[in-house]
Amino acid sequence: AQSVTQPDIHITVSEGASLELRCNYSYGATPYLFWYVQSPGQGLQLLLKYFSGDTLVQGIKGFEAEFKRSQSSFNLRKPSVHWSDAAEYFCALGDGQNFVFGPGTRLSVLP
Amino acid sequence: NAGVTQTPKFQVLKTGQSMTLQCAQDMNHEYMSWYRQDPGMGLRLIHYSVGAGITDQGEVPNGYNVSRSTTEDFPLRLLSAAPSQTSVYFCASSPRGLSYEQYFGPGTRLTVT
Repeated sequence: AQSVTQPDIHITVSEGASLELRCNYSYGATPYLFWYVQSPGQGLQLLLKYFSGDTLVQGIKGFEAEFKRSQSSFNLRKPSVHWSDAAEYFCALGDGQNFVFGPGTRLSVLP
Repeated sequence: NAGVTQTPKFQVLKTGQSMTLQCAQDMNHEYMSWYRQDPGMGLRLIHYSVGAGITDQGEVPNGYNVSRSTTEDFPLRLLSAAPSQTSVYFCASSPRGLSYEQYFGPGTRLTVT
């Protein structure tokens, strides 16, 4: 069955530092891949998505993600983190019949 | 557009009580779904609908019922609440299907005592 793993439960970075959140998936073909962000007490907001084509995807709020088929990964990056980026981040996969979320990575930002 | 709306925001139930979580969307999306969010487990699909009158089970359907009489509304019913159903519930809609981008409501935090 398809699955999504996010190896880091909690990451802390300093404001202005770069960020990379890891996402790995298990699926027999190329899936549709997504990153969502959830601020405390809020719903989920779509940051970016990958369906096909260019493996480097740009999203909102200065985020980008790179799809690497050989590594079954879809890592999220941001060159300079802002305090407002503190939130929980979810990687998700769509396989044609289902939508599967990873367990999430909580990001804390130090001033 | 209001997007996806959910009511109530918070609810406390006693074991054995029933209730309905409301979800509505004004984007004319055919696809709607319900998820529950538990710590360390991400979101798990409870039920989904591909259009009015059509529903199907997701990963964790036991203890929940749904119906879809209109495109806009997709209520989730808890038949006999159990403490294991304490969770945050999110409704989502999609213009293209369950595998595509989902647009989420603000959530309902449910506690069953």
